[in-house]
Parts: sequence; structure tokens; C-alpha cells
Amino acid sequence: AQSVAQPEDQVNVAEGNPLTVKCTYSVSGNPYLFWYVQYPNRGLQFLLKYITGDNLVKGSYGFEAEFNKSQTSFHLKKPSALVSDSALYFCAVRDPMDSSYKLIFGSGTRLLVRP
Amino acid sequence: NAGVTQTPKFQVLKTGQSMTLQCAQDMNHEYMSWYRQDPGMGLRLIHYSVGAGITDQGEVPNGYNVSRSTTEDFPLRLLSAAPSQTSVYFCASSYRGVPNEKLFFGSGTQLSVL
Repeated sequence: AQSVAQPEDQVNVAEGNPLTVKCTYSVSGNPYLFWYVQYPNRGLQFLLKYITGDNLVKGSYGFEAEFNKSQTSFHLKKPSALVSDSALYFCAVRDPMDSSYKLIFGSGTRLLVRP
Repeated sequence: NAGVTQTPKFQVLKTGQSMTLQCAQDMNHEYMSWYRQDPGMGLRLIHYSVGAGITDQGEVPNGYNVSRSTTEDFPLRLLSAAPSQTSVYFCASSYRGVPNEKLFFGSGTQLSVL
């Protein structure tokens, strides 16, 4: 069965420091991988995706993610965190052979950036 | 651009009541879906539609009905509300037939069933 794991409920980082939000997945074949961000009382917003090609994917707001097939990971990173990055982050995977186009979401990681 | 619009934003129901959550999108997306978000569980797919007149079940369809009479609208009906349906509901849409496409989400409906 397909699954996504986000092992950290919360990540705390000081403003200006690099941040990493971890994600591992379990899916057969070559998955499509996504990161979404949710600000309080808002819907999810797309950050970036990995489909194929370069393992380092750049997205919105200075975020990037590194796809590692051997470790089945897709960690979200940012070189210098901002207080405004504080939000709930979701990793998601989609099986390209699934006709429902269903996204399988992780449980989410809350990022807290302190001034 | 309105994007994906959900109404209402908040709703309180009593057990056994029925209601409809509305979702409309103005991007001419063929694919629309409903997810529920529960603490510590991420989002789970309830129902989806790949075009007008076509709907199908997701992971957690029990207790919910959907219909898709137009491309723009995809309402979610709770037939007889139960406390287990207390959740935040999100409608999302994207282009059909392109599995690498991102989903556009509405701002959500927070539902409490007493």
C-alpha cells in the first residue's frame, strides 16, 4: 500500500538558519511527489513537485526539495528560514498509474520559526 | 481570480441532520475532489470526479454523497451527520488526465457534529 511518513510533528528553527522538513514514502513504481503548505485557516497551497529528472527541485518562496530514490525520501529544505515560513507542511505522493489521481498525504509537520 | 470557492466556512450540525457543502471552481478544471483533514492523519480522499456526470469513491466515502452536474460545481452531501464526521473539509481541483498536475484547494469548511 502507498504511504507517506513525516516523522516529525514539529520542527523548530531560528530565523536565518537553514531548515529541513523530512518526508519518506512507500509506493511501487516511480511516484510523483509534492509539497504543500497550509497557513492558519487557509487551504493548502502548492510549493513544489518532483516528476522526473533533476533530483533537486526548486519551488515557491525559496523552498527546494531533494529526491533520493535509494532512501525513498523527499525532504523539504530552505537555506535561510523566515518567521513567515511558520506553517503546517504536507508531503504527498501520487501513483501515476492511479486513475483517481488521488494524493496520499503525510500527517503534516508544523514548522515554527522563531525570531 | 476566485479559484476554488467553498461555502460555508463553518457549520455546526446535530447528529442525524443532513447538509450540503458547496464547492465551485472557475478554472474550467475537469477534475474535482473532496478531502477531509483530521489531526495527525493528513488529508484523506472522500470522493472525486473526472468530469461532469462522472463521480467515484475515494478512501473514506461512507456517509457522503456527491454529484457533478456541471464542470464548475461539486457539492458534498452529508446524509445523516455523525460525530465521526466532525472534520475540516477541503475541495480541490486540477486538470484532468495529467497526474503530475498540482491540486488547487479551497479554504475549507470546518464542520462540527454534536
